Amino acid sequence: SQELEQSPQSLIVQEGKNLTINCTSSKTLYGLYWYKQKYGEGLIFLMMLQKGGEEKSHEKITAKLDEKKQQSSLHITASQPSHAGIYLCGAPQGGKLIFGQGTELSVKP
Amino acid sequence: DTEVTQTPKHLVMGMTNKKSLKCEQHMGHRAMYWYKQKAKKPPELMFVYSYEKLSINESVPSRFSPECPNSSLLNLHLHALQPEDSALYLCASSLMGGVFRETQYFGPGTRLLVL
Repeated sequence: SQELEQSPQSLIVQEGKNLTINCTSSKTLYGLYWYKQKYGEGLIFLMMLQKGGEEKSHEKITAKLDEKKQQSSLHITASQPSHAGIYLCGAPQGGKLIFGQGTELSVKP
Repeated sequence: DTEVTQTPKHLVMGMTNKKSLKCEQHMGHRAMYWYKQKAKKPPELMFVYSYEKLSINESVPSRFSPECPNSSLLNLHLHALQPEDSALYLCASSLMGGVFRETQYFGPGTRLLVL
């Protein structure tokens, strides 16, 4: 079965700094979703990637899917306290969505 | 509007109680999902309903009983739960139920504590 591994597991950055979160799959990805979650709350959809080499941006967040479709990265430019939370990557598998373990981001003002 | 609502927000129940969680969406989605999330873990799928029929049951214990009365509403009936069932229960919906090219939209969750 497919597994998603995220790195790093946690990250503390100074406000204004850039950061990158990675999501690596054990198998070819046929879709990759990025979600953000505040502790104890629901998941907020950020972006979905499908094609190798695809890149999408929303405000200061950019997500990319590599050409081989086995790794995705999420890049935040000029981080702000509002970016703090848990970032989860998800991929379809057998009619359901599986998730990575999550990356906990803290942004220090 | 990509809103999925869940009630209640918090629930405390004893092991002999019967309670229900409710989820609602008005996006015209025909697939609805229940997930369970333990602290510091990713969500785990419990059930999927597609066009009001149960399509996936991830071997969930019978003390959890899902119900989909119509395409907008999803319930999760709880009975004789155990303390280890304490978790955040998340509902999600998507257009038809095929995960490819379909985004799942999540509700805010119900935090359940079983005493």
